[in-house]
Order: sequence, then structure tokens, then C-alpha cells
Amino acid sequence: GNSVTQMEGPVTLSEEAFLTINCTYTATGYPSLFWYVQYPGEGLQLLLKATKADDKGSNKGFEATYRKETTSFHLEKGSVQVSDSAVYFCALKTSYDKVIFGPGTSLSVIP
Amino acid sequence: DGGITQSPKYLFRKEGQNVTLSCEQNLNHDAMYWYRQDPGQGLRLIYYSQIVNDFQKGDIAEGYSVSREKKESFPLTVTSAQKNPTAFYLCASSIAGAPRDEQFFGPGTRLTVL
Repeated sequence: GNSVTQMEGPVTLSEEAFLTINCTYTATGYPSLFWYVQYPGEGLQLLLKATKADDKGSNKGFEATYRKETTSFHLEKGSVQVSDSAVYFCALKTSYDKVIFGPGTSLSVIP
Repeated sequence: DGGITQSPKYLFRKEGQNVTLSCEQNLNHDAMYWYRQDPGQGLRLIYYSQIVNDFQKGDIAEGYSVSREKKESFPLTVTSAQKNPTAFYLCASSIAGAPRDEQFFGPGTRLTVL
């Protein structure tokens, strides 16, 4: 079946450090891939997405590239800020309407 | 502004009582979803609906019920049969049959059973 695996958290970084959160997936067919962000006590918000192989999604300095050959969609940011502290979820969606979410990775950025 | 509203934000109930969580969207989406989130964990799908008057069980439907009488509304009832109902509940919606489109989430309802 379809599944998403994310690196275990929590991740703690100093401000301006480089961020990578690994995400790999298993899916039949050609899924669309998403990164969502959840701030404390809130719902999820879409951060970025990619809908086909080699697409790069980007938003607010975050980037992720859809790598079909390695079935990966790693999230990166060159310089994190305190305001980036949140939980990040990798997710996939196939031709059906159900979305498969990873377990989430908690990020804390300290000044 | 289009979006999803959930009410109330915090809900307290005594053990053994049924409680209904509200979810309304004005995005004209056909598909709606309910998720449960426990502390430090990911999202688990309770129920979803792709069209009015139809819905399917998700991964953890036991102890929950839903209805979909209107396109914009998808209320969730947490029944007394749910053994551990204290959790954060998230409602979402999306365009049906659109694999490239994301889900939109409401702000969530935190249910505490005393």
C-alpha cells in the first residue's frame, strides 16, 4: 500500500542554520507530493507541493524536489528563523481522494 | 474569504456523553475529511466524504459517526463508544477527483473528556 516515511524528530537548530527534513514514499502510480506545516494549536497549512517527477516546489524559502528515482521529497531551507518552529508533515495523494501523511517532524529553532 | 470553520475551538464533555463537532466550508469543495491527532503523533483518518449523502470509513472510524446532508457541512459525532476521545480533531476539504490539489484544513477542535 501507499506510505510516507519521515525522519524522526524533534529537530533543534540554531537560527540561520541549514534545514533538511527527509521524506521518502511508497506508492503505486504517480502520486502528487506535499509538505504541510502546523503551528502550535492550529490546523495544517500547505507549504509547497510537486505534482510530477523532477518538479520543484518552493515557498517562503523552503524547497523540495520530487525525485522519482529515489522516491523522495526532502524539505530544505537555507537559513531557518525562529518563526519556522513548527511541525512539518510530508504527504502524498494518488488518483483517489485519500491523502497519506507522514508522522510529522517537529522543528524548534533557537535564537 | 473562503475557508473552513470548526467550532468550538475547545470542548469539554463528561465521560459517556455524545458530542458533535461542527465543520463548515465555503470553498465549494465536494470532498471533506475528519482526522484525529494525538500529542506528538500524525493524522489518522476517521471518515471522509466525496459527495453529498455519501461517506466512507477511514482508518479509525469505530466510536464515531458523520453525516453529509449539505455540501458545505460535515459534522462529526464522537459517541460514548469511543474509548479514548480526548484529542485534537481536524476537518479538511478538497476538490474531489483532483489528485494534484491539496487539502485545506480548519483550525481544529480540541476535545477533552473529563
